[in-house]
Amino acid sequence: NAGVTQTPKFQVLKTGQSMTLQCAQDMNHEYMSWYRQDPGMGLRLIHYSVGAGITDQGEVPNGYNVSRSTTEDFPLRLLSAAPSQTSVYFCASSYGGPETQYFGPGTRLLVL
Amino acid sequence: GENVEQHPSTLSVQEGDSAVIKCTYSDSASNYFPWYKQELGKGPQLIIDIRSNVGEKKDQRIAVTLNKTAKHFSLHITETQPEDSAVYFCAASTYAGKSTFGDGTTLTVKP
Repeated sequence: NAGVTQTPKFQVLKTGQSMTLQCAQDMNHEYMSWYRQDPGMGLRLIHYSVGAGITDQGEVPNGYNVSRSTTEDFPLRLLSAAPSQTSVYFCASSYGGPETQYFGPGTRLLVL
Repeated sequence: GENVEQHPSTLSVQEGDSAVIKCTYSDSASNYFPWYKQELGKGPQLIIDIRSNVGEKKDQRIAVTLNKTAKHFSLHITETQPEDSAVYFCAASTYAGKSTFGDGTTLTVKP
């Protein structure tokens, strides 16, 4: 199993550009989540999904969209990038809540 | 919503000493309390977890305790080794599966 994979590993954007961060898991997990991690802070939940076709907002959803058309994939879309979205983004999955979350390696995003 | 506070933010110990990290949570509905270790440039990885129906759990050099009444839980690492150096996060989650994380503790084990 590859576990949770994320692409790209690193991305530089200009303010106002849009992009999609990819996340995939091959463990047949129902739950998937997106977090952002800023220096000196813990992980903050952006959006999460409890199954295909179901998504909900987390603690910091503004400026981000998600969709869950399949069990395996959970892409995160930045609609119009802002410098405040410079962060490291982690995708995670689990069998269901509350259970162990398996994290991907992260995507480091820099918005200029 | 849930609020998780984690202390200390940094911790430095000598190799072989014990390390203790403490977290408090606010939502009495939280019932799952994992601890994650994050090494530089990597995603967090679970090291131990505890559920609300258990007071203590141990796995070799690592143990976690939970006090539901006081709403706090702690991570104990004994006989620390240099490879234990990392950032440790506590988290609290409910049946809804939403996890709230503490701000992390940077543990440094000096050889």
